[in-house]
Amino acid sequence: EEQLVQSGAEIKKPGESLKISCKGSGYSFISYWIGWVRQTPGKGLEWMGSIFPADSDTRYSPSFQGQVTISVDKSISTAYLQWNSLRASDTAMYYCARRATTGYWYFDVWGRGTLVTVST
Amino acid sequence: DIQMTQSPSTLSASVGDRVTISCRASQSIVSWLAWYQHKPGKAPKLLIYKASSLENGVPSRFSGSGSGTEFTLTISSLQPDDFATYYCQQYHDYSPVTFGGGTKVEIK
Repeated sequence: EEQLVQSGAEIKKPGESLKISCKGSGYSFISYWIGWVRQTPGKGLEWMGSIFPADSDTRYSPSFQGQVTISVDKSISTAYLQWNSLRASDTAMYYCARRATTGYWYFDVWGRGTLVTVST
Repeated sequence: DIQMTQSPSTLSASVGDRVTISCRASQSIVSWLAWYQHKPGKAPKLLIYKASSLENGVPSRFSGSGSGTEFTLTISSLQPDDFATYYCQQYHDYSPVTFGGGTKVEIK
C-alpha cells in the first residue's frame, strides 16, 4: 500500500524550532515530488512547497518562501518541514502529499497530518 | 494567485440524495482541477482529476464536470460513507496550486 506516515502532534512555544517528518512507503519514494500543505480554520488549505527526493530540488510558494525549510533524507524515504523560530500563527495542521504519478500538480497520496500548536 | 471559491460551504443531505458541489476559479484553468474528500483524522483522498477523470478505486457515484472557470462535483446517491468535507484544487498555475475553501456535507 502506498502511504505517507507523518510524525505526531507537537506543542511548542513561540521562538522554538521544529522539524516534522513524512515517511513514504509502498512506492519508489525518490521518484515523486512530495508537497507540504497547511490547513488553518481561517485560510483553509495552502500549498507551502514541494521537494523532489531524487535530487532535493525544492520549490516554495511565495507565501512561505523564507518562512520554512523543506528537506529530504532519501536514504530513509522521509521528507521534512522545518521552522527555525515558530510563531503563534504557525499553529495549524500540516499535511504532506505526493504529487500525482501522472506528473501533474495534484496530489494522489496524502498523510494524515501533523497538528502543530504554538502557544505560550 | 488563482482564487478558488466553493459553494455551498455546508450542505445538509440525506442518504440517497443527489448532491452537487460547485467550484469557481478566478480565471480559466481549462480542465486542471482536482477534487478531494476529507474526513476528520484521516488523510485526504483524491476523487477526481482533470475535472472529470475518476481516480482508481473511487466509486462511480462520484463524478466531476466543467471547464474554464465553473466546475461541479456530483454524488449521484449519497451514501453514509460520503459524509465528509470536499475540496477542489486548481493546478493550471502550479506556483502556487490553490484550493477551494471546502464544502462540508452533513447528515440532514
